[in-house]
Amino acid sequence: SQQGEEDPQALSIQEGENATMNCSYKTSINNLQWYRQNSGRGLVHLILIRSNEREKHSGRLRVTLDTSKKSSSLLITASRAADTASYFCATARWGSQGNLIFGKGTKLSVKP
Amino acid sequence: SQTIHQWPATLVQPVGSPLSLECTVEGTSNPNLYWYRQAAGRGLQLLFYSVGIGQISSEVPQNLSASRPQDRQFILSSKKLLLSDSGFYLCAWNLGQDGQPQHFGDGTRLSIL
Repeated sequence: SQQGEEDPQALSIQEGENATMNCSYKTSINNLQWYRQNSGRGLVHLILIRSNEREKHSGRLRVTLDTSKKSSSLLITASRAADTASYFCATARWGSQGNLIFGKGTKLSVKP
Repeated sequence: SQTIHQWPATLVQPVGSPLSLECTVEGTSNPNLYWYRQAAGRGLQLLFYSVGIGQISSEVPQNLSASRPQDRQFILSSKKLLLSDSGFYLCAWNLGQDGQPQHFGDGTRLSIL
């Protein structure tokens, strides 16, 4: 069963703009992860935020987590055409021993 | 460093034919291994996962089976493919502890005719 639900399903922006994607989930989690998938390729891990963290940065990526609202957001600043991809959130429950539940993803298109 | 290999990259098979997709991991020991299927433009559906040799957990009833004959080898099989088995199959690994990211292969695009 899928726990994470990304919003929006698709997002189209111009190069240089910021892109924000949201993820909602249903049950208590140990951590939440964001992945990127280029067309026809496997997923690549971007960033992990633990349940006791509220915000995390990695380069042009900023992730927030609100456990009271069971939601997370991924912000990509100063987007580039190369950021065009699908982005997925994945949640890890306590005791899941590495298993993740993935959402359906947001398809981001960055136009040059 | 760890690497994951998945093959073939693409496969076209007739309905009713058998299937064997292979995934191997290098550079780590006793990984958790996962098989996912992704329908076009959709999220990932977990099919099978394995925490050790010969240990397979199935997430959904289906026409597929998985085996782990060696520590770093994971095989997805079918005796008779159905049209509904078409999709993009992804193999992944991690160290099986809470909070570990998963690392994915490049996938196999399976088309059933």
